[in-house]
Amino acid sequence: GAGVSQSPSNKVTEKGKDVELRCDPISGHTALYWYRQSLGQGLEFLIYFQGNSAPDKSGLPSDRFSAERTGGSVSTLTIQRTQQEDSAVYLCASSLSAKNTEAFFGQGTRLTVV
Amino acid sequence: QQQVKQSPQSLIVQKGGISIINCAYENTAFDYFPWYQQFPGKGPALLIAIRPDVSEKKEGRFTISFNKSAKQFSLHIMDSQPGDSATYFCAAEAGTALIFGKGTTLSVSS
Repeated sequence: GAGVSQSPSNKVTEKGKDVELRCDPISGHTALYWYRQSLGQGLEFLIYFQGNSAPDKSGLPSDRFSAERTGGSVSTLTIQRTQQEDSAVYLCASSLSAKNTEAFFGQGTRLTVV
Repeated sequence: QQQVKQSPQSLIVQKGGISIINCAYENTAFDYFPWYQQFPGKGPALLIAIRPDVSEKKEGRFTISFNKSAKQFSLHIMDSQPGDSATYFCAAEAGTALIFGKGTTLSVSS
């Protein structure tokens, strides 16, 4: 596709359930990022993938959060045992390379934990 | 060290006026400073970006002013229009992930 695609666009889940959020980056983009945006808040960095390098996981808020990027393309963010404070918009972005290049964002997945 | 501090949190400007949003950082390793614009229900989109070897960059009605010694940079929107009403995020990068400010909600009244 022409842009970064995220699915689902909305997800409602019960507290304690696991969820998987998917990101399809722009073809050829080697860098991929996940951010979390809570209501009225900025973009909180979660994890960053660059090519075949080990991901930068320094932003993951707890061990309930994990992410994979398969084949240097599609990425999945998994949240285990969801809590109400996990409710937010999860944004994925990709860029052509790691440094000083424009990051293109998807429209996000709105996660609501009830 | 990794924070980017943005102000004000919200801003109301009359049509035709100048909107000014400020950001400050501590990490001198940051070497790329973009501004992103976000409309409700959409992901952020790059508006304009600057590197620290220049003090100003202008693109249309949007200008970034950069003060390396003060570790501050700002976005100026000239002749603000109602269509500019959005949330604006400054960011900084040191070769890895972009670190964002908390955002400024701009409302331009007609």
